[in-house]
Amino acid sequence: SAVISQKPSRDICQRGTSLTIQCQVDSQVTMMFWYRQQPGQSLTLIATANQGSEATYESGFVIDKFPISRPNLTFSTLTVSNLSPEDSSIYLCSAGFNYGYTFGSGTRLTVV
Amino acid sequence: RKEVEQDPGPFNVPEGATVAFNCTYSNSASQSFFWYRQDCRKEPKLLMSVYSSGNEDGRFTAQLNRASQYISLLIRDSKLSDSATYLCAVIVYGNKLVFGAGTILRVKS
Repeated sequence: SAVISQKPSRDICQRGTSLTIQCQVDSQVTMMFWYRQQPGQSLTLIATANQGSEATYESGFVIDKFPISRPNLTFSTLTVSNLSPEDSSIYLCSAGFNYGYTFGSGTRLTVV
Repeated sequence: RKEVEQDPGPFNVPEGATVAFNCTYSNSASQSFFWYRQDCRKEPKLLMSVYSSGNEDGRFTAQLNRASQYISLLIRDSKLSDSATYLCAVIVYGNKLVFGAGTILRVKS
């Protein structure tokens, strides 16, 4: 199965700053997604990262707060902007394949 | 109504027990279904896909009931190492994978 490299694995950021998370897939993939997992919760889909066009955001998530790039079929970034303590969470990227969806190892963000 | 619903548990079972989880989904047009396993502080790992005919992988059996819109996961002969959170996931419109809340399994000696 495909391997997704996600970085950073964790970070502690000051409120008001931004964090950019990167995901690299070891094969070309059409579908990439970004999820958030808050402590003790399940995964919530933030957006679908579309190659060559703007990301598609789920209800409650907006581009100004979570800008996403998808410059090619193997790479995507998620930026969490204007950080507040409520943004402290785990962020995961995912890629969809015929056999299922694979996840990066996650980025644990703490906002102080 | 949530798109995917699971009993959060926890299910506390002794080693060797058989345990079953159910998951219901709301969109009757959903076509693809999965069970994931998530260990503490790790990303979800695909455990198995769920096919209309059901599928089995060793001690694990997954089944789909389209009429009642639920999927199930059966674990036989539970091991300590099976302790984890089990997430069911359904692909909805736009190829988006939506997760249930997860069911916690604790296997005890």
